[in-house]
Amino acid sequence: DAMVIQNPRYQVTQFGKPVTLSCSQTLNHNVMYWYQQKSSQAPKLLFHYYDKDFNNEADTPDNFQSRRPNTSFCFLDIRSPGLGDAAMYLCATSSVTDTQYFGPGTRLTVL
Amino acid sequence: QKEVEQDPGPLSVPEGAIVSLNCTYSNSAFQYFMWYRQYSRKGPELLMYTYSSGNKEDGRFTAQVDKSSKYISLFIRDSQPSDSATYLCAFQRSYNTDKLIFGTGTRLQVFP
Repeated sequence: DAMVIQNPRYQVTQFGKPVTLSCSQTLNHNVMYWYQQKSSQAPKLLFHYYDKDFNNEADTPDNFQSRRPNTSFCFLDIRSPGLGDAAMYLCATSSVTDTQYFGPGTRLTVL
Repeated sequence: QKEVEQDPGPLSVPEGAIVSLNCTYSNSAFQYFMWYRQYSRKGPELLMYTYSSGNKEDGRFTAQVDKSSKYISLFIRDSQPSDSATYLCAFQRSYNTDKLIFGTGTRLQVFP
C-alpha cells in the first residue's frame, strides 16, 4: 500500500542534543510537510517542500531545519532541542490533485 | 474572531448513537474541507474531503458543507467504540502547497 512512513516512532533526546527525524513516502507526491502537534492541540505547520523548493512558516524557530534529498525522503533536524520542543512531529504529503496524507508521527521526548 | 472554531468536547455517546461534529470558519477563501480522525498517539487519518456545499456520504460517515453559513459537519451513524478518537476539521484554499488550517479537534468517546 502506498503510504507515508516515519522513523523512529518514538525518540528520546537530551536537552540541547541534536536530533533528526525521518519521513519517507511511496505516494510519489511532490509536496512534503512537517507539522508539530503538542498535546490536545491542532497540528501546526513548520515548513514544506514543493519539489526541492523549501518554504518556511514565518513563526517557525531557527532551531528547526529540514532537508529533502529526493522525492521520497524528507528529514526534520532539531539543532538544539529544548523542553518546549517535546511534541508529536507529523509528516504529510500531497500533490496538485490530492489533499494531505499524514504519517503515524514521531513522538519526541526531551529530557 | 478565530479562523476556525471547533467544540473540543469531550463528547461521550452510547454505541449506536448518531454523532454530530461541527466546525465554523471565517475565511471565505477556503475551498476544500476535510475531516481527519486521530487515534491517541497516532497521526491524523483522512476520513472525508469535499470542495462543494452539500452532503457527501461514505459508509457510516456523512460530511456536510454549508458555504453560505461557513459551517461544516460530520455525522457518524451507528457509532461504534472503534470510532472513539479525536476528530479534526481542516480547511484549505487549494490543494497545491496550501497549508491545512485545523480546528482544535473534538474528542469522541463511544461506550458499549
